[in-house]
Amino acid sequence: DVKVTQSSRYLVKRTGEKVFLECVQDMDHENMFWYRQDPGLGLRLIYFSYDVKMKEKGDIPEGYSVSREKKERFSLILESASTNQTSMYLCATIRAGGLMNTEAFFGQGTRLTVV
Amino acid sequence: DAKTTQPNSMESNEEEPVHLPCNHSTISGTDYIHWYRQLPSQGPEYVIHGLTSNVNNRMASLAIAEDRKSSTLILHRATLRDAAVYYCILWGRDDKIIFGKGTRLHILP
Repeated sequence: DVKVTQSSRYLVKRTGEKVFLECVQDMDHENMFWYRQDPGLGLRLIYFSYDVKMKEKGDIPEGYSVSREKKERFSLILESASTNQTSMYLCATIRAGGLMNTEAFFGQGTRLTVV
Repeated sequence: DAKTTQPNSMESNEEEPVHLPCNHSTISGTDYIHWYRQLPSQGPEYVIHGLTSNVNNRMASLAIAEDRKSSTLILHRATLRDAAVYYCILWGRDDKIIFGKGTRLHILP
């Protein structure tokens, strides 16, 4: 079975803390994505990465950064967490090359609460 | 980015077919149409995708309009386990997968 593993299912952090959300995949996929999901807003793309050390901004990158030092790991960083970053965070991966004829695999999500 | 429009919610009776519509009038010639669904407390999962021709797999069928400006996901015999949010997505050359708000499907026993 393919696996996309997010480090935590539930996380509670304080305002102002630096928060790391980790995503690891075992499928040797080049492309990885971070989304956040909020009621009534659906999934919104934060950042994505086509390869190691490469990153592209999605639709809502403000307040976030990412790190891709190894192919299998894509980290989402909240430099200084705020309450409006309380959300469900989802990681996804796809294989590069013939991309449009393949499927995306998602992790189970991390529900982050910032207090 | 090409966008999709779906109804917010739909209801269907168990063991009946379900037709979930999606409009994508700004689709480009190279965009694939993908469908994903998200069960409660889980990440989205792949359902089906297509480019121009209708497609069938073990989960569902995808009917694509001749002008490609709309498509319909067909669940042939809905079960309670099919209750989920269904997302229609256009997947283009830039691989920037953009989700809409999806359709919440309720299945009535």
